[in-house]
Amino acid sequence: QVHLVQSGAEVKKPGASVKVSCKASGYTFTRYYMHWVRQAPGQGLEWMGIINPRAGSTTYAQKFQGRVTMTQDTSTSTVYMELSSLTSEDTAVYYCARSEGSGAGTYFSAYWGQGTLVTVSS
Amino acid sequence: DIQMTQSPSSLSASVGDRVTISCRASQGISIFLAWYQQKPGKVPNLLIYPASTLQSGVPSRFSGSGSGTDFTLTISSLQPEDVATYYCQKYNSAPFTFGGGTKVEIK
Repeated sequence: QVHLVQSGAEVKKPGASVKVSCKASGYTFTRYYMHWVRQAPGQGLEWMGIINPRAGSTTYAQKFQGRVTMTQDTSTSTVYMELSSLTSEDTAVYYCARSEGSGAGTYFSAYWGQGTLVTVSS
Repeated sequence: DIQMTQSPSSLSASVGDRVTISCRASQGISIFLAWYQQKPGKVPNLLIYPASTLQSGVPSRFSGSGSGTDFTLTISSLQPEDVATYYCQKYNSAPFTFGGGTKVEIK
């Protein structure tokens, strides 16, 4: 069965960067795009971007352009999300969420990682 | 970018009530809309895609409808375990924006 296992909670200082990992298993890693979604405390879901694990191509939400980098390691079936220049506004739970394919009409998500809490505090 | 607007932002209803949640896209998205349920402290759970197909394992009291710009999630008979926040998401093209969420409580 499909599993997405994320790295553990992080505490960062303002201005630092954080890199969250999401290790996939139970399916062919390169056949399904992966989203990153975040949720600030008490707030809604915010889409950050998507990566094609086969090609490494990415599309980022405009809000995060220049500050987020999504990468993949096909040898370990792991995707990464790195966010730089952190502020307290970036304190949130970060989720990876697998698309249901790699083409039109498949960009919804039945499988989500458990979430990684990133706390930004001085 | 297309904006997704949910209403109401919260509601309180009695067990057994019919509950309706609206999601409106600022431009047409055909039927490429998904609904998620998120219980407190839990990961979002896919309920419905595209627009009206129930995900496997989701109780039949949940249903979805709509196309273009206007979509609806209906719970035909609200149960205590349905207390959660519900989100719509467009997935026709990037950015794959979520609605702001609707918090459902029991009266």
